Amino acid sequence: ENVLTQSPGTLSMSPGERATLSCRASQSVSTNYLAWYQQKPGQAPRLLIYAASSRATGIPDRFSGSGSGTDFTLTISRLEPEDFAVYYCQQYGRSLTFGQGTKVEIK
Amino acid sequence: QVQLVQSGSELTKPGASAKVSCQASGYTFTNYAINWVRQAPGQGLEWMGWINTNTGNPTYAQGFTGRFVFSVDTSVSTAFLQISSLKAEDTAIYFCAREALVIPAAAPDYWGQGTLVTVSS
Repeated sequence: ENVLTQSPGTLSMSPGERATLSCRASQSVSTNYLAWYQQKPGQAPRLLIYAASSRATGIPDRFSGSGSGTDFTLTISRLEPEDFAVYYCQQYGRSLTFGQGTKVEIK
Repeated sequence: QVQLVQSGSELTKPGASAKVSCQASGYTFTNYAINWVRQAPGQGLEWMGWINTNTGNPTYAQGFTGRFVFSVDTSVSTAFLQISSLKAEDTAIYFCAREALVIPAAAPDYWGQGTLVTVSS
């Protein structure tokens, strides 16, 4: 089983700042089948990024994904008030594996 | 528009069963698999497995065999999750999420709103 480890656990940021979230896999993620989701309290996860770097439909361009192999990054270029949430990385393909999540909170 | 609408919250007793439904609309149901994901209170997301809506063939993740059953009724574009012999630790929100049945694989894109199952005596 491929284990996804996200860091940091919590990111304390101010609106307008740049946020960088990390996701490290214990084994190489095949064909970059790596996605990022945003989850707000009481809501379902929302797909932001798939195939490591492709934005899902309707996702603002302040969200970007990068990386390959075992190291992946989600960057939010300028945090908006609605971006404070928990973010999960996910490997997909034959099965799904989630990271434990990074909470982006207001400083 | 694409929607996955799940059944309402359930309050059940230990040892009982619960059945969660996930009704799809706005797309061809059999072109997408349905994944089931569990989220315990205050915890992260845990994949339970998926069902091929074309064939009805389920695949269960480790830890979700035996008491968990996935099924579909294509006539009403609905997927079901049944949990038997409920335990307190099954208390969680259960999500369904669709995933295109394509190669190369696609990330689950649309999710249901979640169903809270509470197991308490």
